[in-house]
Amino acid sequence: GAGVSQSPRYKVAKRGQDVALRCDPISGHVSLFWYQQALGQGPEFLTYFQNEAQLDKSGLPSDRFFAERPEGSVSTLKIQRTQQEDSAVYLCASSSNTDTQYFGPGTRLTVL
Amino acid sequence: GNSVTQMEGPVTLSEEAFLTINCTYTATGYPSLFWYVQYPGEGLQLLLKATKADDKGSNKGFEATYRKETTSFHLEKGSVQVSDSAVYFCALGMDTGRRALTFGSGTRLQVQP
Repeated sequence: GAGVSQSPRYKVAKRGQDVALRCDPISGHVSLFWYQQALGQGPEFLTYFQNEAQLDKSGLPSDRFFAERPEGSVSTLKIQRTQQEDSAVYLCASSSNTDTQYFGPGTRLTVL
Repeated sequence: GNSVTQMEGPVTLSEEAFLTINCTYTATGYPSLFWYVQYPGEGLQLLLKATKADDKGSNKGFEATYRKETTSFHLEKGSVQVSDSAVYFCALGMDTGRRALTFGSGTRLQVQP
């Protein structure tokens, strides 16, 4: 079946622009996670949804980062007033109610 | 808090050599342990997992055993191939409370023909 998909795959933004990154989880997966992966590092947790409820947003680095999942399926990660330090790969993962998370291919964000 | 430490790379091996990538963890409670692999230009793929002490995860010739006494989950393969060249990430996760995965920094493996 279809895996987790993310769009766009690549995004270049000028500093100060707003961006929106989309995640389509595996159908039926109630849990959805966002991670940020800096170059040469492991992914770091940003936020977690169970259905439409955002249960944990402790990893969001600033109030410029906002995530939503209004209907409990597709999720959008929005970054306002992008800064150069926001350049990274943004990974989405989904999970049924087990411990295994399945990752999408990621969106590579470059802020100039 | 939870943390994962894995050996720094790159690890460079010849084809058919034996592979070990060390991973140790710190966690409160009883985590599940994972190895993910990231091939060039691709996303993270689950390689194997173990959910309790003494469990052995295995897949594609790779193995790792959950050692609670040494808080380790070392990845091994008896005979690597060029196609195994990738970045390998060790991770831990909890099935209650904070469900985020905690990752190590990754180990790049380069296998030469």
